[in-house]
Amino acid sequence: EDQVTQSPEALRLQEGESSSLNCSYTVSGLRGLFWYRQDPGKGPEFLFTLYSAGEEKEKERLKATLTKKESFLHITAPKPEDSATYLCAVQAGRKSKFYFGSGTKLNVKP
Amino acid sequence: KAGVTQTPRYLIKTRGQQVTLSCSPISGHRSVSWYQQTPGQGLQFLFEYFSETQRNKGNFPGRFSGRQFSNSRSEMNVSTLELGDSALYLCASSLTGMSAETQYFGPGTRLLVL
Repeated sequence: EDQVTQSPEALRLQEGESSSLNCSYTVSGLRGLFWYRQDPGKGPEFLFTLYSAGEEKEKERLKATLTKKESFLHITAPKPEDSATYLCAVQAGRKSKFYFGSGTKLNVKP
Repeated sequence: KAGVTQTPRYLIKTRGQQVTLSCSPISGHRSVSWYQQTPGQGLQFLFEYFSETQRNKGNFPGRFSGRQFSNSRSEMNVSTLELGDSALYLCASSLTGMSAETQYFGPGTRLLVL
């Protein structure tokens, strides 16, 4: 069964304390892996797309990496405004379906 | 370029009623997907439309239905509402919905069923 699992469920960091979020997946025919940021009561905001193992993408304090079984979202020196829920999604299969993880809720304290 | 828009933003209904939600995709996008988001279940895929045809469907009962118009705008309908239908309903659009295309989400419609 196609599945996407994110860990941890919640993460509390002090401002400036770097960490990583994990997204592991078991799907057939990976077409792409996506990271989104979601603020409370809002729709997910697109961050990155990764297509193949070994690929890396960066944006400000965020860096996403991809292996054959998982992806990491590294957050370097986070600020309170980075507090949000980070969602991972995988597009896979002949019908290019999307499968979302349950998210990691990040709280960065000043 | 305008983003994905959804109307209404908030809705309160009672059990047994029906509701219609609307989504206007980004200009030029022809694929529209609908998701239900709840604290317990996360984001769950409802269905996807492309060129006025339902191309993919999630595991939701037949009370949930949708359609897409020739201008790619989409509507979602839920009949005989149940308390458990209270959720944030999200619409996402992409160019064709095919391989590795990014989906862009709207702000969602918050539905509360009393």
